[in-house]
Amino acid sequence: AQKVTQAQTEISVVEKEDVTLDCVYETRDTTYYLFWYKQPPSGELVFLIRRNSFDEQNEISGRYSWNFQKSTSSFNFTITASQVVDSAVYFCALSEGYGGSQGNLIFGKGTKLSVKP
Amino acid sequence: GAGVSQSPRYKVAKRGQDVALRCDPISGHVSLFWYQQALGQGPEFLTYFQNEAQLDKSGLPSDRFFAERPEGSVSTLKIQRTQQEDSAVYLCASSLGGAVSNQPQHFGDGTRLSIL
Repeated sequence: AQKVTQAQTEISVVEKEDVTLDCVYETRDTTYYLFWYKQPPSGELVFLIRRNSFDEQNEISGRYSWNFQKSTSSFNFTITASQVVDSAVYFCALSEGYGGSQGNLIFGKGTKLSVKP
Repeated sequence: GAGVSQSPRYKVAKRGQDVALRCDPISGHVSLFWYQQALGQGPEFLTYFQNEAQLDKSGLPSDRFFAERPEGSVSTLKIQRTQQEDSAVYLCASSLGGAVSNQPQHFGDGTRLSIL
């Protein structure tokens, strides 16, 4: 069965610290997609990144970086030099490929990140 | 506007009443999804439309939940005879291609539904 586990419920850091949010997934498909979304207090889910199962290259976007490792079924997210504006709930999500769930997202329970000044 | 728009932003109803939640997707987006997000949880899939066709409604929790997208644009999620367990945030998302393209879904702010 498809499943996404975010073991960290809440993380609190001080501004400028680096922080890594963990994500472990389960799927029987060989083709699948992984996503990270940010949900600030306003409630809107903001898309951050999508990776497909065939692309294990790590990605960096500014202060954000993602580490995808198929061997451990993990897709971890690191924020470097965190800022107060990074405070939000972060969701990891899985979508299966052709013949799967037709693209609907399976979310983890989220990790609440609090960055203190 | 440029994003997904949902209305109302907040809805309070008494148990047993019917409610209707509206979603205006991003113009031109083929796919539309509804999710339910309980407090402190991740969103859970309810149903999916490709244009006006409802291709997947496997996540709808009961036959009291009904969704439509008659002209392939605006969608309405209706809940009949509401129960307290229906209290949640209902999120709508749209994406440009068909679902199997797995393109990023863009979410609205959600409708927070409270059943008294």
